Amino acid sequence: AQKITQTQPGMFVQEKEAVTLDCTYDTSDQSYGLFWYKQPSSGEMIFLIYQGSYDEQNATEGRYSLNFQKARKSANLVISASQLGDSAMYFCAMRVTGTASKLTFGTGTRLQVTL
Amino acid sequence: DVKVTQSSRYLVKRTGEKVFLECVQDMDHENMFWYRQDPGLGLRLIYFSYDVKMKEKGDIPEGYSVSREKKERFSLILESASTNQTSMYLCASSLGGSINTQYFGPGTRLTVL
Repeated sequence: AQKITQTQPGMFVQEKEAVTLDCTYDTSDQSYGLFWYKQPSSGEMIFLIYQGSYDEQNATEGRYSLNFQKARKSANLVISASQLGDSAMYFCAMRVTGTASKLTFGTGTRLQVTL
Repeated sequence: DVKVTQSSRYLVKRTGEKVFLECVQDMDHENMFWYRQDPGLGLRLIYFSYDVKMKEKGDIPEGYSVSREKKERFSLILESASTNQTSMYLCASSLGGSINTQYFGPGTRLTVL
């Protein structure tokens, strides 16, 4: 069975600083994908970034990058130059190939960006 | 842009009522999903559908059923609502294929009294 662990229930970061949100995963499958979603207070889940298990380079999308360490089974999200609008819940999720794109989610990290 | 809409943002029902939550996507996606979100538990999959009239149970299907009569619409049904079904319900859709990001609707916050 797949499992996602996010050990940081809450994080604070000052505006313009970088922050890393931790995510570790557990699977015995070789082919899988890792996702990060952002959920602002409005409730909608917003897709941020994707990393495939066979991708050799870390994924990047604007200010978001995914620090993928396959041997350690970690997929940390790095947000550079934090903005007040980054304050939200962040969820890490994993999809295992062949499971009709079902996602397994972690419990989330609440990020608060301060002035 | 992918658009996933849900019929209500907030819903209040009484114990024992039959509840319908509707989800519509406009991107011709094959897959559709229903999750519930509870504090400290993340998102848990209730049911998903990979084609019209096809459905599979997720991790927590008890007390729920689903219907997908048209490709764009996926309904979650609470046959007899109970207080422990008070939660945020999120619908998502995705293409079939190997890289299939799920796109979410705005959620329905259901309160069962």
